[in-house]
Amino acid sequence: DIQMTQSPSLLSASVGDRVTINCKASQNINKYLNWYQQKLGEAPKLLIYNTNNLQTGIPSRFSGSGSGTDYTLTISSLQPEDFGTYFCFQHNSWPNTFGAGTKLELK
Amino acid sequence: QVQLKESGPGLVQPSQTLSLTCTVSGFSLTSYNVHWVRQPPGKGLEWMGRMRYNGDTSYNSALKSRLSISRDTSKNQVFLKMNSLQTDDTGTYYCTSKNNLDYWGQGVMVTVSS
Repeated sequence: DIQMTQSPSLLSASVGDRVTINCKASQNINKYLNWYQQKLGEAPKLLIYNTNNLQTGIPSRFSGSGSGTDYTLTISSLQPEDFGTYFCFQHNSWPNTFGAGTKLELK
Repeated sequence: QVQLKESGPGLVQPSQTLSLTCTVSGFSLTSYNVHWVRQPPGKGLEWMGRMRYNGDTSYNSALKSRLSISRDTSKNQVFLKMNSLQTDDTGTYYCTSKNNLDYWGQGVMVTVSS
């Protein structure tokens, strides 16, 4: 099974900050990497699919990059509504796997 | 519009079998895969398995011996059955589908307790 190592697990930041979250796969996942945001008590929400494709309706301050085994989610200028938990998800091969999550909190 | 909704018992006794239903609308089960994902309280997401549009299934290696996913296309429903439940199976269970898992149900909370 492909393991997804997500870092950091906790990120403290301020409104306006640029933040990055990383995911490292245990093997090449060919850019089949999605990013989700989850807020307390809600289902996850798709932000980015296949590494760098912005889901419809998601603000352009979110972006994704990467290839091979290393992937990054960037928020260019943090907004108050961006605080929550972020998960990466590989769907290159079965079984699909999630990263452990990054909790983004207000500094 | 596209909707997914999970249903099932909120409480299951240890060693018993969990049965959940995901009812979908706005798309066809013969066109899109449906996945099950769960989340223990305060923890991360775990991919459990999926029903492919053609009826094939794939499962999380750690759950494969206990898990079964099936469907009834005439009722637009996908079913999850997992046996030998233990307390660490407590959590919220989601079904999700469509392109890149962009649609999710609200989730159903399942507590395993006697």
